[in-house]
Amino acid sequence: AQSVTQLGSHVSVSEGALVLLRCNYSSSVPPYLFWYVQYPNQGLQLLLKYTSAATLVKGINGFEAEFKKSETSFHLTKPSAHMSDAAEYFCALNTGGFKTIFGAGTRLFVKA
Amino acid sequence: ETGVTQTPRHLVMGMTNKKSLKCEQHLGHNAMYWYKQSAKKPLELMFVYSLEERVENNSVPSRFSPECPNSSHLFLHLHTLQPEDSALYLCASSQGFDRGNSPLHFGNGTRLTVT
Repeated sequence: AQSVTQLGSHVSVSEGALVLLRCNYSSSVPPYLFWYVQYPNQGLQLLLKYTSAATLVKGINGFEAEFKKSETSFHLTKPSAHMSDAAEYFCALNTGGFKTIFGAGTRLFVKA
Repeated sequence: ETGVTQTPRHLVMGMTNKKSLKCEQHLGHNAMYWYKQSAKKPLELMFVYSLEERVENNSVPSRFSPECPNSSHLFLHLHTLQPEDSALYLCASSQGFDRGNSPLHFGNGTRLTVT
């Protein structure tokens, strides 16, 4: 069975600091992996996706994620946090079909 | 209008009311979804339609009734809801789903409160 685990339901960083949001997955077949962001009172928006073309994936708003098969991880990073990055972030997995498996989400707080 | 549009944004209804949520996608996608997002719970898939045919009904109570008249429109009809049905209901679309690499495009949701 596939699963997604996001370590840390809340992460707090200072403005300008590195953002690191952790995601580990479990899958018996090669997965497609996604990061979504949800701002208050909005739906989820795609940040980036891994589809096996390259292990380092660049997304919108300066975010990137690296697929590490040996560690079954797909952590999301951004070199310098901005106040506007405060939101909830979801890691998700799909191995084919209509079921996308979502993690529980990590809420990012950015301190001035 | 672009993307996925949901109406209304907010809805308060009594347990005996009947109401409907509407979703429209302007992306030319052929799959549409209803998700339920409750506080402190993972995103819950409710219904999936592909080319207007329902392909998944994820053990959802019958008080929720979906309708997909065409590939651009999706409705969720609600009747005799319970307070625990209060949540954010999200509509999403994708360009197929067979391979699993098509991302979901979400609307901004309808915040439902059942009193």
